[in-house]
Amino acid sequence: EDQVTQSPEALRLQEGESSSLNCSYTVSGLRGLFWYRQDPGKGPEFLFTLYSAGEEKEKERLKATLTKKESFLHITAPKPEDSATYLCAVEKSNTGKLIFGQGTTLQVKP
Amino acid sequence: DTGVSQDPRHKITKRGQNVTFRCDPISEHNRLYWYRQTLGQGPEFLTYFQNEAQLEKSRLLSDRFSAERPKGSFSTLEIQRTEQGDSAMYLCASSLTSVGEQYFGPGTRLTVT
Repeated sequence: EDQVTQSPEALRLQEGESSSLNCSYTVSGLRGLFWYRQDPGKGPEFLFTLYSAGEEKEKERLKATLTKKESFLHITAPKPEDSATYLCAVEKSNTGKLIFGQGTTLQVKP
Repeated sequence: DTGVSQDPRHKITKRGQNVTFRCDPISEHNRLYWYRQTLGQGPEFLTYFQNEAQLEKSRLLSDRFSAERPKGSFSTLEIQRTEQGDSAMYLCASSLTSVGEQYFGPGTRLTVT
């Protein structure tokens, strides 16, 4: 069965304290892995797409990496405005639909 | 603003009533998706369209749910005879077939009392 699992469910960091979020997946025929940020009461905001093992993408304080079984979202020197829920999703080849994990809720304290 | 828009943003209805939500995708996107999200969970796929054709429907989409995209532009999602279990955030997303990234709207929060 296709499945996406994110850990931890919740993460509290002090401002400047770097950490990583994990997304592990089992899916046949992976087309792409996606990271989204979601603020309370809003729709998910697209961050990154990763297509193949070894690929990395960066945006400001965020860096996403992909292996054959998992992806990491590294947050370097986070700020309070990085507080949000981070969602990971996979797309099976040619299906169009995304399968999401349950998300990691990040809180960054000043 | 040229992003995905949804209307209404919030809907409170009584059990047994019908509700309809609208989604306007990014104008050049030919794929449109509907997802449902409950508190503390990630979005769950409901259905998607390529232009006006509905290509896939989830088993979550019972016969009380119907979606349309009549001219390949905006889409509507109707829920008939609402139940309390239908309370959730209903999200719409759109994408270009060749690119793949799905861009989400702000969602419609449905509360069934």
